[in-house]
Amino acid sequence: AQRVTQPEKLLSVFKGAPVELKCNYSYSGSPELFWYVQYSRQRLQLLLRHISRESIKGFTADLNKGETSFHLKKPFAQEEDSAMYYCALGRGDSNYQLIWGAGTKLIIKP
Amino acid sequence: ETGVTQSPTHLIKTRGQQVTLRCSSQSGHNTVSWYQQALGQGPQFIFQYYREEENGRGNFPPRFSGLQFPNYSSELNVNALELDDSALYLCASSPGAGANVLTFGAGSRLTVL
Repeated sequence: AQRVTQPEKLLSVFKGAPVELKCNYSYSGSPELFWYVQYSRQRLQLLLRHISRESIKGFTADLNKGETSFHLKKPFAQEEDSAMYYCALGRGDSNYQLIWGAGTKLIIKP
Repeated sequence: ETGVTQSPTHLIKTRGQQVTLRCSSQSGHNTVSWYQQALGQGPQFIFQYYREEENGRGNFPPRFSGLQFPNYSSELNVNALELDDSALYLCASSPGAGANVLTFGAGSRLTVL
């Protein structure tokens, strides 16, 4: 069965430190991976998707098919990065739904 | 350009009742997806509507049903409410069927007593 695992419910780092939010997926087909973010009192919104290969707000994520991972990284955390982060998997064979991880709450300490 | 709006924002029902949740999609989007988010969990896909037809359904019983209207707004109906239906219901619109870049509404918080 398809699954997305975010092993950390909570991640707390100091401002200026590197951040890595982990995401592992289980899917035998061709995946499409996303990171969505929810800032305090705001809606869930797309942060980045693997096919774009962009850096958004200093965040990057690389799809590693061998390790079935899509970890989100930022070299220097900022206080405004504090939020809830969700990793989501889109399936190539039935791309109408996303399968979501349980999310990681990121807290950036001053 | 208007975003996705959902109503009501909060509601309380009792077990066995029925509920209708509403969603207006973002301008230019013709697809609406509904997700259920229980506390401490990620969203779970309920179904998607594209051009007024159901385009895919997750693992939810038939008492969860939906509609999409010609203006692309949508309703989620839940019959015979159970305690486990208590959750945040999220509506998301997108510019085409299967598109996974979703624009979310703020959600409707349903409490079933």
